[in-house]
Amino acid sequence: AQTVTQSQPEMSVQEAETVTLSCTYDTSESDYYLFWYKQPPSRQMILVIRQEAYKQQNATENRFSVNFQKAAKSFSLKISDSQLGDAAMYFCAYNVYSGGGADGLTFGKGTHLIIQP
Amino acid sequence: DSGVTQTPKHLITATGQRVTLRCSPRSGDLSVYWYQQSLDQGLQFLIHYYNGEERAKGNILERFSAQQFPDLHSELNLSSLELGDSALYFCASSSTSGPLSIGNTIYFGEGSWLTVV
Repeated sequence: AQTVTQSQPEMSVQEAETVTLSCTYDTSESDYYLFWYKQPPSRQMILVIRQEAYKQQNATENRFSVNFQKAAKSFSLKISDSQLGDAAMYFCAYNVYSGGGADGLTFGKGTHLIIQP
Repeated sequence: DSGVTQTPKHLITATGQRVTLRCSPRSGDLSVYWYQQSLDQGLQFLIHYYNGEERAKGNILERFSAQQFPDLHSELNLSSLELGDSALYFCASSSTSGPLSIGNTIYFGEGSWLTVV
């Protein structure tokens, strides 16, 4: 079974600084998808960024970028110029397509990101 | 606003009871997914329906069942409720049942809070 591990239960960063959240996963598949979701106090699940495993280029979305290391099965999220609105739980997630239909996302336990003003 | 609508937003019920959670997917989306978020288990995938048919099953208990109707809305039925079933239940939708590539993003609803007392 696939597993996703987020080793940092909580991270704190000063406003305007850069922070990196770690994620590792375990899979025997070669083609899969990786995601970072943000869950603010409202509990809404918001997609931050996505990476297809077959793409070597790291995904970027404005201030958010990933460092995808396929051989190491590592998928970290870098947030640049941290803003107060970035404070939230961040979940790393994995998905594989089985052919019959998209399996569900497998989530890590989450990292609570605190932004210090 | 993701476009995924879940009702009710909050529900308190007693052990042994049965409840139904309802989900309306985004306009045009044919896939519906159910997830459970609890303190003990974190975020877990329960089940995936596509155009009325079950496509993938996760850690869904036998006491739980789901269906997707011809109008594409979905219901999650939880029966013989236990204290441990207290959780936030998310519905999510995507346009197809295929891989979760850029053209098939999963969008989450705001969730239904279930408290079993």
